[in-house]
Amino acid sequence: DTEVTQTPKHLVMGMTNKKSLKCEQHMGHRAMYWYKQKAKKPPELMFVYSYEKLSINESVPSRFSPECPNSSLLNLHLHALQPEDSALYLCASSQDEGGRGNQPQHFGDGTRLSIL
Amino acid sequence: SQQGEEDPQALSIQEGENATMNCSYKTSINNLQWYRQNSGRGLVHLILIRSNEREKHSGRLRVTLDTSKKSSSLLITASRAADTASYFCATSRAAGNKLTFGGGTRVLVKP
Repeated sequence: DTEVTQTPKHLVMGMTNKKSLKCEQHMGHRAMYWYKQKAKKPPELMFVYSYEKLSINESVPSRFSPECPNSSLLNLHLHALQPEDSALYLCASSQDEGGRGNQPQHFGDGTRLSIL
Repeated sequence: SQQGEEDPQALSIQEGENATMNCSYKTSINNLQWYRQNSGRGLVHLILIRSNEREKHSGRLRVTLDTSKKSSSLLITASRAADTASYFCATSRAAGNKLTFGGGTRVLVKP
């Protein structure tokens, strides 16, 4: 079992749907991350939250909207996605050392998203 | 974009043999981390080596870092079938909590 919990595990949605991915951790980590991973490729960073504030947005299209309602929760709101957005979406968390990135990241098992 | 490249892309060995994979990167780093990913699962952190360290051990894992060559290696000794997974290196630069992953090495350990 991982200490970062992601729901749902699988999601199939149409291009006009609105859905949300959820991520929860109770390790007291103050940095949280969203990654996108295509098959047989490495994870690609999408967003970083530090102390509940968005600190990095890797030029992600606006159809992906992150939200960090509190220090334990991270959401990714999805709207009008394209078939090429089908991928494994991973959430991770870590301690935050003021942005020095010296801490390991703890990953959830991801949400496998399919866009029809 | 990927910071680094991993070599080889795939590796097949017998149980009990050692597995070595290499990671090269392009810019100066704060630290380098190795992660394992089993099929259909998230990534698991294995080891972190800081830029001022040259070698680090954790159980059957040995990681080296050569900042002059901008490269790192991960050695898994006495491999087991359970070591079958993809292994990724990831670099962290001084600014921001940002990890950039290499392309990964897929390791198959045959019983």
